[in-house]
Amino acid sequence: NAGVMQNPRHLVRRRGQEARLRCSPMKGHSHVYWYRQLPEEGLKFMVYLQKENIIDESGMPKERFSAEFPKEGPSILRIQQVVRGDSAAYFCASSPVELRPYEQYFGPGTRLTVT
Amino acid sequence: AQSVAQPEDQVNVAEGNPLTVKCTYSVSGNPYLFWYVQYPNRGLQFLLKYITGDNLVKGSYGFEAEFNKSQTSFHLKKPSALVSDSALYFCAVRDPYRDDKIIFGKGTRLHILP
Repeated sequence: NAGVMQNPRHLVRRRGQEARLRCSPMKGHSHVYWYRQLPEEGLKFMVYLQKENIIDESGMPKERFSAEFPKEGPSILRIQQVVRGDSAAYFCASSPVELRPYEQYFGPGTRLTVT
Repeated sequence: AQSVAQPEDQVNVAEGNPLTVKCTYSVSGNPYLFWYVQYPNRGLQFLLKYITGDNLVKGSYGFEAEFNKSQTSFHLKKPSALVSDSALYFCAVRDPYRDDKIIFGKGTRLHILP
């Protein structure tokens, strides 16, 4: 059973470009969470999604950031018009939740560098 | 609101000595508590969790944690530290009566000195 997969692992974007981060949850997991980790800081919750639904986006900036988890395919975190402050590691986690309370399983992360 | 605090940014321990990484939490009901470890340039790995039952929880790599309800703490412990235990450790809490969101502490960097 493959773990949570994220791609790309490293992404470099110039200021003003768009960044798309992908996350494929573990098989059988229907819930996805996105976190951001700034250098030398902890994890900050961004958004929690189920298939085709955003459950909680309280941690996501109101502008430039969006997330989706379509019926088919991976979850996508999209950052439009990136700025230097968006440089961080972005982690995706998934959980099955049918049998609570399950811990979350994390992907290896995507390290975004904005130049 | 639920929250978790890790009061130490960094903990240094000599190899072979016991280690403790501290965590306290704030949740309105009975919490679900977790410890994760992060090695350099890697994602988080689950170590252990407390849901209910025995207050002493055993996890991966010889780690254990003790749930103390009166002190609202969930400290991570290991009887004998290894150099390979050096990493960033995150405590996390979830309020099962609210939602499925897990709140993470800011992390404690553990240095095991050879």
